[in-house]
Amino acid sequence: EAQVTQNPRYLITVTGKKLTVTCSQNMNHEYMSWYRQDPGLGLRQIYYSMNVEVTDKGDVPEGYKVSRKEKRNFPLILESPSPNQTSLYFCASSLSPGLAVSYNEQFFGPGTRLTVL
Amino acid sequence: RKEVEQDPGPFNVPEGATVAFNCTYSNSASQSFFWYRQDCRKEPKLLMSVYSSGNEDGRFTAQLNRASQYISLLIRDSKLSDSATYLCVVTMEYGNKLVFGAGTILRVKS
Repeated sequence: EAQVTQNPRYLITVTGKKLTVTCSQNMNHEYMSWYRQDPGLGLRQIYYSMNVEVTDKGDVPEGYKVSRKEKRNFPLILESPSPNQTSLYFCASSLSPGLAVSYNEQFFGPGTRLTVL
Repeated sequence: RKEVEQDPGPFNVPEGATVAFNCTYSNSASQSFFWYRQDCRKEPKLLMSVYSSGNEDGRFTAQLNRASQYISLLIRDSKLSDSATYLCVVTMEYGNKLVFGAGTILRVKS
């Protein structure tokens, strides 16, 4: 089954304790992206990657790191989480970047609900 | 000013009603446009793309007006299952950067 998986789905942690949220897709997609969703603000792009070893900042990259060593994986790293990073996080992938046509659909993972105390 | 703005609603409509949502975007360099649907606490899923010529998929019609910088979504004959949050999405930087609106809540009631 074609899908994007994220782990963990739920995480409660404390300020300053490094954590990683994994994201994996099995569709051989080139483009992957991380978003956070907060009430009233919608989804905001954190980082995106157009291919292996190519990553770029989105709108809200501060406090996050990513890596893209393999095509299928795009982990999100919070080196020193803070309470303002409490949010719902989504990973997404799509076939290829830069295509303004309908098959540039973003496929989203199920989300990771993170609480930082 | 937000790059993509939507009326948050909620829009409360009876089954069978026709309902329309608008979304405005501020960057004239925006390249492609989509409507996504998000059910409560679930991941967003693509509803439809939006083309300059307009496009229709069953009960759903999407329109793009580049001159006025807005896109619209029309839902005819609303079903209970249409209840969800509808997200307007605009892409920039050759499709690599996606900007989401905060969403419009639709509640269809029997």
